[in-house]
Parts: sequence; C-alpha cells; structure tokens
Amino acid sequence: DAGVIQSPRHEVTEMGQEVTLRCKPISGHNSLFWYRQTMMRGLELLIYFNNNVPIDDSGMPEDRFSAKMPNASFSTLKIQPSEPRDSAVYFCASSFGTGVLAQHFGDGTRLSIL
Amino acid sequence: EDQVTQSPEALRLQEGESSSLNCSYTVSGLRGLFWYRQDPGKGPEFLFTLYSAGEEKEKERLKATLTKKESFLHITAPKPEDSATYLCAGAWSSNTGKLIFGQGTTLQVKP
Repeated sequence: DAGVIQSPRHEVTEMGQEVTLRCKPISGHNSLFWYRQTMMRGLELLIYFNNNVPIDDSGMPEDRFSAKMPNASFSTLKIQPSEPRDSAVYFCASSFGTGVLAQHFGDGTRLSIL
Repeated sequence: EDQVTQSPEALRLQEGESSSLNCSYTVSGLRGLFWYRQDPGKGPEFLFTLYSAGEEKEKERLKATLTKKESFLHITAPKPEDSATYLCAGAWSSNTGKLIFGQGTTLQVKP
C-alpha cells in the first residue's frame, strides 16, 4: 500500500523565493498534518486538517506560511517569501480521524534556503 | 503545558545488551502515548500506542509500557538494525488531534 507521498524530497532555493511543498495522504485517511523538524526544536506541528478543513494552525510560525487542502488527496504548504531560518525538514502525516490515533508520516522534504 | 521529556538523549549499546528508554509526560489529561522510530533521512515510523497505565505492547525485540507518570521502551537483545532515533509523543484531552513529540533518544547498537 502506498504511504504518505511528499514532493519534492529536496529543495534548495534562495532567500525571498516562494517555496511550495506537496503532500498526498494515505487513501481513506481524513486527517492531514504538517510538521517541521529541526535539531533545535525537534518535531513541531504546524497545522492540521480534518476533512479538508483547517482545524488548528496555531503552530504556523508567521504569515509567510500558508497551507491548503483543496481535496482529500492533496495538500500544499507554501512559504512566501522564504528566509534562511525556514531551513528544516518538513513532514506530512495522515491519520484516519482526529482522535487519539496513530499518524503515518511521509519521508519529508529537506528544505534549504540560501 | 502539555509535554513529553525523553531520556537519555543518546544511548550506545553492544549487540545483545538490553536496555530501556524513558519518556516522562504531563500526567493531567493524557489520552494516549505514542512511540515512533525514525531512521536517518526518513519520516517517523509508528510503533505503538498506549492508552492507560499498566498497558504493554510488544513487537519483536521492543516492548512499550505505560505507568501513571512515564513510559518505557524496553529493547531486549538489540541488534545493529535497531539503531535509530526513538520518539515519544503524547495526545491530551486539551487537544486530542495534536501529537506533541519529545526530542528523541538516538540509539546506536554496535556489533
């Protein structure tokens, strides 16, 4: 079975450029989560959706970050404009429901902002 | 503030040398405690969920247990392929949709 699919796997871009990260959740899962992982702060939740609706975006660092989920099989996380401090690994995860359920992660996008 | 704290940060074992990883958590309102394994360059891989004190779950050489204030991941007779970072995460009644992760324990098993 296909797991969570993220693209691109690696992204290197210059400061000020727009960055778009993509995620396809596991088929049938109705909750989707975006995380950021750094050495300093570990794995942090940015935003999560249930049935394509954003439920909690309190982890989004600032207005430069935005996320959308236009349908049940696709989500994007956009950074505009990007800054060097946004460099991190961004993970997408999905689960069936929003209760106390296991989330299943993709292999992430390693983002480097020069 | 809901949180989990993992110890030790790093652990080196010889192959076959059993040990335990610790995860202490904010007790009030905990609904579930999760263990994940993360390999370099990969996303976290789900291992176990524990819901109540006294609960235990096993998978191969790993056994996760939950008490009223902490969780342990016991590794019995580890092999080099068990080398990874092990993450603990909690979900609380204040926001059951969210998982809050610890900083992880990086395990290295030498042959």
